[in-house]
Amino acid sequence: QQQVKQSPQSLIVQKGGIPIINCAYENTAFDYFPWYQQFPGKGPALLIAIRPDVSEKKEGRFTISFNKSAKQFSLHIMDSQPGDSATYFCAAAVSGTYKYIFGTGTRLKVLA
Amino acid sequence: DAMVIQNPRYQVTQFGKPVTLSCSQTLNHNVMYWYQQKSSQAPKLLFHYYDKDFNNEADTPDNFQSRRPNTSFCFLDIRSPGLGDAAMYLCATSTGGTGYEQYFGPGTRLTVT
Repeated sequence: QQQVKQSPQSLIVQKGGIPIINCAYENTAFDYFPWYQQFPGKGPALLIAIRPDVSEKKEGRFTISFNKSAKQFSLHIMDSQPGDSATYFCAAAVSGTYKYIFGTGTRLKVLA
Repeated sequence: DAMVIQNPRYQVTQFGKPVTLSCSQTLNHNVMYWYQQKSSQAPKLLFHYYDKDFNNEADTPDNFQSRRPNTSFCFLDIRSPGLGDAAMYLCATSTGGTGYEQYFGPGTRLTVT
């Protein structure tokens, strides 16, 4: 089944903390895993993405960890700031198509 | 330097009155998508185009239709909007190549009265 499970549904951290958002999939026909950040009333914005042949990717304060054997990937936000408060979606691109399957989203709040 | 532009940003229509949402892109991407997003939910793919090739999701209601007259523009037509169609409608584009990066527009918030 083409599904991406995302957890937690919501997350509250203190400024400077490291929130971690997890996603898991069952179908192996995924070949690209992006993360999106969405602020209220705005469209999702691509944050960072990874391919399954890479175990970790860092861009600024954002890191994706990818465990191919466990079919899991996660987003870490280092030194989180109140401005990071948003909803985060993981996604997976279905091989051989142009389609993406989205996770259910995580609402993050970073307290000042 | 807007890349994916959606108009209007807010649309109010009456129950049953047809409405058209538009999307344009300056990226020259081959693939264009329409998603529906309801409050606190993930975007739900309605359909997508690779160039002029149209791909409809199996669970997209017949009430929703789309047109892509050229590479830059794509339209979403809702023939008879119901109250349940009130949502944010997101347009996105992708190269369709190995990059797979998908870029979203700001969305159109549709209200049905």
